[in-house]
Amino acid sequence: DTEVTQTPKHLVMGMTNKKSLKCEQHMGHRAMYWYKQKAKKPPELMFVYSYEKLSINESVPSRFSPECPNSSLLNLHLHALQPEDSALYLCASSRERNTEAFFGQGTRLTVV
Amino acid sequence: GESVGLHLPTLSVQEGDNSIINCAYSNSASDYFIWYKQESGKGPQFIIDIRSNMDKRQGQRVTVLLNKTVKHLSLQIAATQPGDSAVYFCAESLPTQGGKLIFGQGTELSVKP
Repeated sequence: DTEVTQTPKHLVMGMTNKKSLKCEQHMGHRAMYWYKQKAKKPPELMFVYSYEKLSINESVPSRFSPECPNSSLLNLHLHALQPEDSALYLCASSRERNTEAFFGQGTRLTVV
Repeated sequence: GESVGLHLPTLSVQEGDNSIINCAYSNSASDYFIWYKQESGKGPQFIIDIRSNMDKRQGQRVTVLLNKTVKHLSLQIAATQPGDSAVYFCAESLPTQGGKLIFGQGTELSVKP
């Protein structure tokens, strides 16, 4: 099983809403990542978790709040987003940092 | 600063031909490189990787070449098929920065039948 599962696939939210994106993997990977991707652009790293601890925060605004409840799950809590936050949000995992990373299919987020 | 870039933003090839996608990286400390394929509406799909102690690695129909002297990476696809049409990203991993993966700008490969 080399699958990273993200839910929901699509999300439309208002600027005053609170929502969460979820990511799950059962490959025993100990590193998990959140990336943001705009149309026609490469993925941009947001957060890295290693052994359930946040190891990298790429100066992401506090309206994005990551959480790693256990080694298989990664959440991204969203609050008071702006329309420019609309993007494809990708989750990835790898056995350790600096090893091959597998991506989920992403959540297409639209902020209205 | 750090950057991973591609020489060609778009590449159009005939079905059956070989494709070569190039990538330049600027950080000499990068020690691990990955090529990803991304189809429309999907997440990036791992194709092949290479570590800095190697200069060539082969997979099924794909070969990655690494030239550390000029900080250049390439992906060769043999006998390109219509299903290979996608955007291809190279990515470099920086061990000095927690192994974070930085993506290049991407090349869109279009295969003509």
